[in-house]
This record gives sequence, structure tokens and C-alpha cells, in this order.
Amino acid sequence: DVKVTQSSRYLVKRTGEKVFLECVQDMDHENMFWYRQDPGLGLRLIYFSYDVKMKEKGDIPEGYSVSREKKERFSLILESASTNQTSMYLCASRAGGASNEQFFGPGTRLTVL
Amino acid sequence: EDKVVQSPLSLVVHEGDTVTLNCSYEVTNFRSLLWYKQEKKAPTFLFMLTSSGIEKKSGRLSSILDKKELFSILNITATQTGDSAIYLCAVARGTSYGKLTFGQGTILTVHP
Repeated sequence: DVKVTQSSRYLVKRTGEKVFLECVQDMDHENMFWYRQDPGLGLRLIYFSYDVKMKEKGDIPEGYSVSREKKERFSLILESASTNQTSMYLCASRAGGASNEQFFGPGTRLTVL
Repeated sequence: EDKVVQSPLSLVVHEGDTVTLNCSYEVTNFRSLLWYKQEKKAPTFLFMLTSSGIEKKSGRLSSILDKKELFSILNITATQTGDSAIYLCAVARGTSYGKLTFGQGTILTVHP
């Protein structure tokens, strides 16, 4: 089974702090994604990576950056956390090829005070 | 801009009822439509639909796609309390490294 893990289930940070969210997948998947999920808005794509060191902005990249130095690991960085970044953050991976199925991690609920 | 709209946004039923969840979309270069179920954890994959009119089934769940009218439905028959979850619909484009555009989700609550 594909396993996608995220470094924390719950995180509380203060405004202005730098925040790192880590995601690791164990199935040698090519593509990885970061979403945030807010009530009534569904999942919105922040950034994705189609290969090591390759990244593209999603629909809401402002205030975020990403890093993919190794194939299995995709990090989301909040350079200076703000209260409007309080949300559930979900990481996903995809094998590539014909299937569009993405496999999700359990999520990190981030609260910025 | 790609758009995926789900309805209803929330639904409350009793065990044994049948429910139909709707997903309509507007997307350039459509490739496939996916349904996920999300309980208090990671979304789990239910179905991927690429062709019109072909029903996919898994137990009490089934789904069908209409590429002419640009929508999909997810049916759940004989609902159980374990079906309580958020149901997510997402659409993939043909040339996008598998990026998905999600709808808002439907919150289904099944009472005993």
C-alpha cells in the first residue's frame, strides 16, 4: 500500500514564525502536491512538484514556498505565518502515467495565533 | 479557470436511505473525474471515471459520468452510519501532471 506521512497532525505557531510542513511518500511517486482545506472551499492546490527540484505554483501560492530535494520528500514552507494561514494542510502523491489517482497523507491542522 | 461544483453541500439522512451526490464541472481538456471519501483523516479514493455512461460500482456505492452534460453522480444505497463523511469530487486535465481541481465537498451525515 502507498503510504504518505506528514510530520505533524497538529501544530500551533505564532504570527511571523517560519513554519515547515514535511511530507514523505514511500512508493517512488513522481508527482507530489500540497493542498489546504477550508470549510466550504474544498481542497485548493498550493504548489506541486512533478520531479525532484521541479515545482510549479498551484492556485493559491502566495505566502508559501516548497522544496523537493529528494524524490520521496516534499516540504511546504510558510516564510512568515499569518492568522489567515490557519487551515488543514494535506499532502498527496501520484505515480505519474495514465492514472490521476492521488494518495493523501493524514493532514496537518495548523493554527496560527 | 477550471470549476467544479458539488451539491448539496450537506445532507442529513437516516440509515437505510439512498442518497445521490452531484458534481458538475467546467474544465479545459478534461481527462478524468475522481471521487474521494474523507472521514477524520486522509481522503480515500473511491472511483475514477473517464468515459460517459459506464457505471462504476463498489458495494453499495456507484458512480457515473456524463461528458456531454458535464456532470457526475455518486449514489449510495442502504446508507449506514459509517458512510458519514465528506465526499469530494475532483477533475483532472489532460496535460497538467495530474493536477486535480476539487469541488467544495458534500458533508453527508447518516443518523441511526
